[in-house]
Amino acid sequence: KQEVTQIPAALSVPEGENLVLNCSFTDSAIYNLQWFRQDPGKGLTSLLLIQSSQREQTSGRLNASLDKSSGRSTLYIAASQPGDSATYLCAVKTGANNLFFGTGTRLTVIP
Amino acid sequence: GAGVSQSPSNKVTEKGKDVELRCDPISGHTALYWYRQRLGQGLEFLIYFQGNSAPDKSGLPSDRFSAERTGGSVSTLTIQRTQQEDSAVYLCASSQIGTGASTDTQYFGPGTRLTVL
Repeated sequence: KQEVTQIPAALSVPEGENLVLNCSFTDSAIYNLQWFRQDPGKGLTSLLLIQSSQREQTSGRLNASLDKSSGRSTLYIAASQPGDSATYLCAVKTGANNLFFGTGTRLTVIP
Repeated sequence: GAGVSQSPSNKVTEKGKDVELRCDPISGHTALYWYRQRLGQGLEFLIYFQGNSAPDKSGLPSDRFSAERTGGSVSTLTIQRTQQEDSAVYLCASSQIGTGASTDTQYFGPGTRLTVL
């Protein structure tokens, strides 16, 4: 069974700092990997999707990389802002179509 | 356009009662998914619909849980004889294609917070 792990579980950084969130998965047979953010009391917002054939995707200050063979992905956030404070989840899609989620990294950006 | 909507947003029920949770996916999305998020835990997959059929029910935790989808649109998740361990946020997602699509993004609703007393 696919297992997804995210490190660290929580992270606090001062505003303006660049940061990296890590995600690892045990089975490299994936269709894609998605990064989401979850705000308290709200649903998940999709940030980036990387197909299994791709190495990275960028959206604004966010850059996600994928190394499928080693089962790793990173989410890089540049010039962090207080509005970036949220829980960040990575999820992999397998042939079963559902997503396997990590337990998330809770990010706090301190003004 | 409208996103995925879920109702109710909050539900408090007594142990042993039945509950129904509703999901309205994005119009035109053929795939629909239900997930559960218990406090402090990650999301767990429950069931996946492609159109009106459910090719993957592997995540349903017991026979007290069932789901249906009608008209390729609205889905209802029913929990019978609720137990305290059913307390969680139930999230619904939809995607355009579903099966085997590496570009297929899942869009999530805001969830229903279920509390079983």
